[in-house]
Amino acid sequence: SAVISQKPSRDICQRGTSLTIQCQVDSQVTMMFWYRQQPGQSLTLIATANQGSEATYESGFVIDKFPISRPNLTFSTLTVSNMSPEDSSIYLCSVSGTGGTEAFFGQGTRLTVV
Amino acid sequence: GESVGLHLPTLSVQEGDNSIINCAYSNSASDYFIWYKQESGKGPQFIIDIRSNMDKRQGQRVTVLLNKTVKHLSLQIAATQPGDSAVYFCAENLNNAGNMLTFGGGTRLMVKP
Repeated sequence: SAVISQKPSRDICQRGTSLTIQCQVDSQVTMMFWYRQQPGQSLTLIATANQGSEATYESGFVIDKFPISRPNLTFSTLTVSNMSPEDSSIYLCSVSGTGGTEAFFGQGTRLTVV
Repeated sequence: GESVGLHLPTLSVQEGDNSIINCAYSNSASDYFIWYKQESGKGPQFIIDIRSNMDKRQGQRVTVLLNKTVKHLSLQIAATQPGDSAVYFCAENLNNAGNMLTFGGGTRLMVKP
């Protein structure tokens, strides 16, 4: 299994500002994934981050709003830009297991925008 | 902390009883399914998985059943314990190469002592 650490674990931010969330994995992984979990809802994939290439965004998510970095095989960041209260969610980082099957998740970043 | 399952359907069971949590998936081409448990303030935790060439898989106190005809997945928890209280999500893998998961809506399990 992979151990995934996210920072910060929670934050309260002013609207119009940006927050960068960090995700650190204890082993090298090819693909990292960013999910959003809105209050009381399930998880929705934002984008897939591969090292050395641009992230691939899912429908409804754009790079200008959620820029992603993937500088190496153990680290990624997700920025939530120009935040509004509608961005208040839990943001989760995940990686695939060996053989590309089960996914391991970080503990999430709980974001509140006021 | 705030629960992730405030608006999710809730299943309430007595401690010691068996629990059955159901999930309908969307894509008949999905070939891999996972059940996750999410406790308040934590990320989803893998429970059990099943591939589409199987219709049943058992773990410790948990069993997953897959009915591909009606695109239905269930998670059975035997002898439910208070520590099983959490939100449970099913997820389907639509992409063999990358493990991109599509999550179901989730069910909140509450275990009464």
